Amino acid sequence: NAGVTQTPKFRILKIGQSMTLQCAQDMNHNYMYWYRQDPGMGLKLIYYSVGAGITDKGEVPNGYNVSRSTTEDFPLRLELAAPSQTSVYFCASSYSVGPEARETQYFGPGTRLLVL
Amino acid sequence: QKEVEQNSGPLSVPEGAIASLNCTYSDRGSQSFFWYRQYSGKSPELIMFIYSNGDKEDGRFTAQLNKASQYVSLLIRDSQPSDSATYLCAERGSNYQLIWGAGTKLIIKP
Repeated sequence: NAGVTQTPKFRILKIGQSMTLQCAQDMNHNYMYWYRQDPGMGLKLIYYSVGAGITDKGEVPNGYNVSRSTTEDFPLRLELAAPSQTSVYFCASSYSVGPEARETQYFGPGTRLLVL
Repeated sequence: QKEVEQNSGPLSVPEGAIASLNCTYSDRGSQSFFWYRQYSGKSPELIMFIYSNGDKEDGRFTAQLNKASQYVSLLIRDSQPSDSATYLCAERGSNYQLIWGAGTKLIIKP
């Protein structure tokens, strides 16, 4: 299993440009998440999904959009990039939520985004 | 608003000693807590989760949960240089979300 994969690894965007960060998992996990991590900070949840066709906002959704048409894929769309969106973006997935080991979130390698 | 607080460090510990990492949380009703390790430039990976008051041991790692005092600890015995990383504490919030602390940077000195 490849686990959680993310592309690209690194991207430079100009202010106002748009892009899609790709995320895919091959573990048949129902739950998927997008986080951003600013230097020296913890993870902030942008959007999450509990299954194909179902998405919801997290703590910091402004400036982003997501879709979940399949169990495997959970792309994150940035519209009109701003310098404040410079960050490292992590995608994660988990099998379920609840007091079990299946709640473990598995992370992709991250995408480093620089907006200039 | 739920919050998870961690000392950012760095916490410097000699090789072979016990490293003690602490995390406090604001929601007295929180039930589930997680410790993730993040090496520099890498993604977080789960070390342990704990749901019940008391201690949970896994190899060199022990997680401690004290709900009355609202803190969670991670002890690393026989610390190795490979344990040098940032340790993130998280609690499970509502709507499937994890609430993350900013992390404590741990340095194990040979």
